[in-house]
Amino acid sequence: DAGITQSPRHKVTETGTPVTLRCHQTENHRYMYWYRQDPGHGLRLIHYSYGVKDTDKGEVSDGYSVSRSKTEDFLLTLESATSSQTSVYFCAISESGDQPQHFGDGTRLSIL
Amino acid sequence: QKEVEQNSGPLSVPEGAIASLNCTYSDRGSQSFFWYRQYSGKSPELIMFIYSNGDKEDGRFTAQLNKASQYVSLLIRDSQPSDSATYLCAVIGYLRDKLIFGTGTRLQVFP
Repeated sequence: DAGITQSPRHKVTETGTPVTLRCHQTENHRYMYWYRQDPGHGLRLIHYSYGVKDTDKGEVSDGYSVSRSKTEDFLLTLESATSSQTSVYFCAISESGDQPQHFGDGTRLSIL
Repeated sequence: QKEVEQNSGPLSVPEGAIASLNCTYSDRGSQSFFWYRQYSGKSPELIMFIYSNGDKEDGRFTAQLNKASQYVSLLIRDSQPSDSATYLCAVIGYLRDKLIFGTGTRLQVFP
């Protein structure tokens, strides 16, 4: 299995609080991605990174920010969580933009 | 029109049969195509990728690509109950910067 660790695995928090999810990889891959998965919508890209300090928006980026200060870590932050952000969040990595992506185990986030 | 379309299913097949999963895509410039399997409550797992027209076989799995028809399929031979999962089709478009997923087809293999 690809060396990808997501933390935390589960989190319950309240509306309006900040939340940070972490993705850590040991594969030294250049690309890292954050997705959310919701019933009826499938996997949707939030943000991605193509190198240290290089990030770009995905399909559903509103309300989310990211940072990548080291190759191995990609952080996703919900500045002020809303109930619509309740979802399962997956991190993925790939060697380049057109190569297969490999996924972490996911974080189940509930915002009450 | 969705960028990547799949029938949501469920597709039910008996054990030992061939399961055929289909996917169409809208970006004619798409270059790379992937199939992921996702068990309930788990993360997507890459099972096949294909870049060129034709067939690509790996064990019981065969991916088929027809760029002219903008169609990619996954065949699972000798289906087993352990193959019961949701199968996600994913495509990298012309710009080669993002993977676009279909919403998946749920496969049920019954004994």
